[in-house]
Amino acid sequence: AQSVTQLGSHVSVSEGALVLLRCNYSSSVPPYLFWYVQYPNQGLQLLLKYTTGATLVKGINGFEAEFKKSETSFHLTKPSAHMSDAAEYFCALGGTYKYIFGTGTRLKVLA
Amino acid sequence: EAGVAQSPRYKIIEKRQSVAFWCNPISGHATLYWYQQILGQGPKLLIQFQNNGVVDDSQLPKDRFSAERLKGVDSTLKIQPAKLEDSAVYLCASSGWTGGNTEAFFGQGTRLTVV
Repeated sequence: AQSVTQLGSHVSVSEGALVLLRCNYSSSVPPYLFWYVQYPNQGLQLLLKYTTGATLVKGINGFEAEFKKSETSFHLTKPSAHMSDAAEYFCALGGTYKYIFGTGTRLKVLA
Repeated sequence: EAGVAQSPRYKIIEKRQSVAFWCNPISGHATLYWYQQILGQGPKLLIQFQNNGVVDDSQLPKDRFSAERLKGVDSTLKIQPAKLEDSAVYLCASSGWTGGNTEAFFGQGTRLTVV
């Protein structure tokens, strides 16, 4: 069965600190993986995606994620957090005919 | 490029009333999704269309929810009668699905409050 697990429903970091949001997946087929961001009262916006090829994927707003097949992970990172990064982040798994979303991680950035 | 359009943005109804949401996907996108997002949770797929055919509606509460996609473009999602637990944001998304490696584009959602 396919599934996505996001570790930590809430993460707090100081402004300027490293952001690390964790995502693990389970898939019986080669996975396609996505990170979305959701700001209050908005829909989901794509940050980045992994399909095939390079395992380190760069996205918008300085975010990047690394696909690690051996660890079945696709963690999202940003070297230096900004106040505007405060939002909810969702990891999603494609690869069959539909997307499966994790439960989300709410990122709080402290001044 | 115009995004996914949804209306209304907000809706408040009393329990047992009916409500309908509308979605216009990105032009040319064959795949359309309706998700339910309850506060504090990730989006849950309710129904997926490929053109005007249903691909997956396994999590759609069919006794009260219905959806259609006429002519493979716009879609409506209806709830009749609504229950308190239907309070959520209903997200519409579309994609040019080619096997899972293309992203879904989301509308801003309709926030439903059932009182």
